[in-house]
Amino acid sequence: DGGITQSPKYLFRKEGQNVTLSCEQNLNHDAMYWYRQDPGQGLRLIYYSQIVNDFQKGDIAEGYSVSREKKESFPLTVTSAQKNPTAFYLCASIRAGGDYGYTFGSGTRLTVV
Amino acid sequence: GQQLNQSPQSMFIQEGEDVSMNCTSSSIFNTWLWYKQDPGEGPVLLIALYKAGELTSNGRLTAQFGITRKDSFLNISASIPSDVGIYFCAGLIAGNNRKLIWGLGTSLAVNP
Repeated sequence: DGGITQSPKYLFRKEGQNVTLSCEQNLNHDAMYWYRQDPGQGLRLIYYSQIVNDFQKGDIAEGYSVSREKKESFPLTVTSAQKNPTAFYLCASIRAGGDYGYTFGSGTRLTVV
Repeated sequence: GQQLNQSPQSMFIQEGEDVSMNCTSSSIFNTWLWYKQDPGEGPVLLIALYKAGELTSNGRLTAQFGITRKDSFLNISASIPSDVGIYFCAGLIAGNNRKLIWGLGTSLAVNP
């Protein structure tokens, strides 16, 4: 079955370390998105990519970086510059010309210890 | 970033009751979407609306795209315990690089 796989489900990081969250989709979707979710704040857009080798900053890109070398993959790196990285991170994708809404992965919960 | 006005913020109801929630905006949307998120999981699309005035059902769920294209509502009839979760509305504006605008969610609790 097609879908989006985020890994790992839970991730612990020490302060000052970079960490990379994986997002892979086999839906042949063109556009991919990274969101951050904090309690009571809904979904906030970090980065998005419409095509391979191109991506744009969302509303809260500071302290994060991404790459889009393959259509299927859109990894997110949480850098040490992100002051409050503990959150639930969601990856989503949508097909070209699609108005059917995003398909989401099951999320990665990152905790800084 | 821009957000939709979603209400109520939370609801606590008895099993069997009907539920209604809505989203409003000052902007015009060409697509409205309703998602449900279970704890610790990603949101799942419930209903998608594409035309002003459109009324669409999915089982016990019914959603409508407002005539002005600036609002939408979601109704859940005869609620059951598995309806528990957070419900999000989202809107798509034409030419916005397919970036969705999100509400802050309605948290639903159902007392069996």
